[in-house]
Amino acid sequence: QVQLQESGPGLVRPWETLSLTCSVSGVSVNIGSYYWNWIRQSPEKGLEWLGYIYYSGSTTYNPSFKSRLTVSLDMSRNQFSLNLKSVTAADTAVYYCARSYSYGHFDYWGQGTLITVSS
Amino acid sequence: QSVLTQPPSASGTPGQRVTFSCSGSSSNIGNRYVYWYQQLPGTAPKLLIYRNDQRPSGVPDRFSGSKSGTSASLAVSGLRPEDEGDYHCASWDDSLSAVIFGGGTRLTVL
Repeated sequence: QVQLQESGPGLVRPWETLSLTCSVSGVSVNIGSYYWNWIRQSPEKGLEWLGYIYYSGSTTYNPSFKSRLTVSLDMSRNQFSLNLKSVTAADTAVYYCARSYSYGHFDYWGQGTLITVSS
Repeated sequence: QSVLTQPPSASGTPGQRVTFSCSGSSSNIGNRYVYWYQQLPGTAPKLLIYRNDQRPSGVPDRFSGSKSGTSASLAVSGLRPEDEGDYHCASWDDSLSAVIFGGGTRLTVL
């Protein structure tokens, strides 16, 4: 069965770069039917879609994060990753990776990982 | 404040029918599909409804979705205690060029 699992540092200092990885099992990220997404959730802002990467390497980002966000794909490890630069306390959230068929159609989610931005 | 508007709370008793609303505009719900997610306490969201009114395999037919104009609704019939949690709507917004979510409605089963 399809499973996604986020991994990350838990705690990030302000103005540093947040790096997360999503390990995918049960399906290859090198299939053209799916998009690989990052979504976060905080009490203040609720669910926020950050962006996705397609198997071809093309990306689409939420304009609110475009200047700070990079999503990349590692087909050899069947993983995809998120880098979010210059984080502040407002980036404290649970970060989820998710598979989608199209915009908004997230059919598989990871369990989420809590990221706290603090010195 | 979310672009998609959902009431913050709803409640019902076991066996009842509850409806959740999601209000948007022509740049999102009016011209795009709506998706609904159930988030039980301490878990990731789970897809309940896709493309306005379609249920994924494994989702009980107690859950149904509909869309009219710039609003959408999710109905849960035969309410059960295990339905307690948060319900989120989502859509694409052409003006923002992003997937957007509603603020979520918290369901309490009394």
